[in-house]
Amino acid sequence: GAGVSQTPSNKVTEKGKYVELRCDPISGHTALYWYRQSLGQGPEFLIYFQGTGAADDSGLPNDRFFAVRPEGSVSTLKIQRTERGDSAVYLCASSLGAGTMTGELFFGEGSRLTVL
Amino acid sequence: AQKITQTQPGMFVQEKEAVTLDCTYDTSDPSYGLFWYKQPSSGEMIFLIYQGSYDQQNATEGRYSLNFQKARKSANLVISASQLGDSAMYFCAMRANSGGSNYKLTFGKGTLLTVNP
Repeated sequence: GAGVSQTPSNKVTEKGKYVELRCDPISGHTALYWYRQSLGQGPEFLIYFQGTGAADDSGLPNDRFFAVRPEGSVSTLKIQRTERGDSAVYLCASSLGAGTMTGELFFGEGSRLTVL
Repeated sequence: AQKITQTQPGMFVQEKEAVTLDCTYDTSDPSYGLFWYKQPSSGEMIFLIYQGSYDQQNATEGRYSLNFQKARKSANLVISASQLGDSAMYFCAMRANSGGSNYKLTFGKGTLLTVNP
């Protein structure tokens, strides 16, 4: 497809388990972002990739969260030892570059994570 | 630090009428961008409109216009001729356009718009 693709769309897991969320950005987009949206809130920034490197991971809440983008395209957000408070929708977005004229981000439909 | 405030948790509008969704912001950045996104029940965030802080004119995109009042630090979204398909959550967001964090969007809490037939 032409848009940002995220899998799985829904993930239910138990407290303490490990989870991986995948994002396939729009082809040719060098910038990739992860945001987290808790119930009743707007999205909150987690991490930004420019190419393969994480240019800013200051939004990751703690060291249980990690993200990679090894070939500069697909990205995986990894959460270790999940906690109930990690339950949220994880949104991925991509753009041609950061800080462009409009900076339009194209978002996926998100991965809804529920930790029981 | 940047902050976006959307004071309307929910709004109702009659089909074919216009509606204004409020957004105020706070920033110390001299150059910044303001965005509106629509989030239907599918969850995808859809970009609607952008306003740069130095733009002289208010942005317009089809039925969407952004009422930018810089002195009041407000960036209200106006939707004209509402349609049933406009029912969704609407988020105001901002980003610094200079400095080292010109990629990071700060979002408000959103406004749930319901269009009645």
